[in-house]
Amino acid sequence: GAGVSQTPSNKVTEKGKYVELRCDPISGHTALYWYRQSLGQGPEFLIYFQGTGAADDSGLPNDRFFAVRPEGSVSTLKIQRTERGDSAVYLCASSPSRQGASTEAFFGQGTRLTVV
Amino acid sequence: SQKIEQNSEALNIQEGKTATLTCNYTNYSPAYLQWYRQDPGRGPVFLLLIRENEKEKRKERLKVTFDTTLKQSLFHITASQPADSATYLCALVMRGSQGNLIFGKGTKLSVKP
Repeated sequence: GAGVSQTPSNKVTEKGKYVELRCDPISGHTALYWYRQSLGQGPEFLIYFQGTGAADDSGLPNDRFFAVRPEGSVSTLKIQRTERGDSAVYLCASSPSRQGASTEAFFGQGTRLTVV
Repeated sequence: SQKIEQNSEALNIQEGKTATLTCNYTNYSPAYLQWYRQDPGRGPVFLLLIRENEKEKRKERLKVTFDTTLKQSLFHITASQPADSATYLCALVMRGSQGNLIFGKGTKLSVKP
C-alpha cells in the first residue's frame, strides 16, 4: 500500500477482554515500531521489530502486552485482560532500513482503543 | 531525571509571521533530533531530521537548529499560514539505540488569518 495501514481505526472493548491491533507497514520496510499516545502527550515507545524479531521490547508496560511479526511484514499488538488505563491511541511506524535512527519514521493513522 | 520539554502547550501567531518552537532536553545524549507534525486524528508526519554534528537544517519555509551545548533545538516556520496550524512534536534518537523515538509532548500551533 501507499502508507502504513492500521486496523481497526477505533476499538471499544470491555475491561478484562483481549484485543488485537493490526499494522500493515510500507512494503519493503524492515523496521517496525509500536507507540502509544495518551491525550495531550507525545507518543511513547513500546516495541521495535527488525524483520521478524523483536529487537527491543523495553517499552512494553507489562506482560499483558505482546506483539508479533511472524513474516517480517504485518505486525499484531496483543493486549490481554485490558484495563481502563490502556485506553489510548496505538500508533505503528515503519522505516526502510535497519538504521532507523538516521531515517524518518512513517506513521499510520493509529488505532484508538477505549476500554470501558 | 530525563526530560524533553517543548516550550509551551500552545502558540498563537498571526499569518505571515515566523513561528518559533522550542525543544529542550535534560540528561539525554541524542545522536539525532527529528521534528514531526501531527494533525488531529492522524499519525505524526516527518518534517526534518538534524544530526548532533549539524547546527542548522532548512527545508522550504522550515528551519531547525540544534545546540548540543544548550541541549536545545529551535524549529522555525517562516511566512506562516493557517494551514500550518497543527501540533508539532520533537523527538530524540539516542546514540546506540535501535532508532526508537523519544517524543516531547508537542506544541499546538494556531496561525490566525
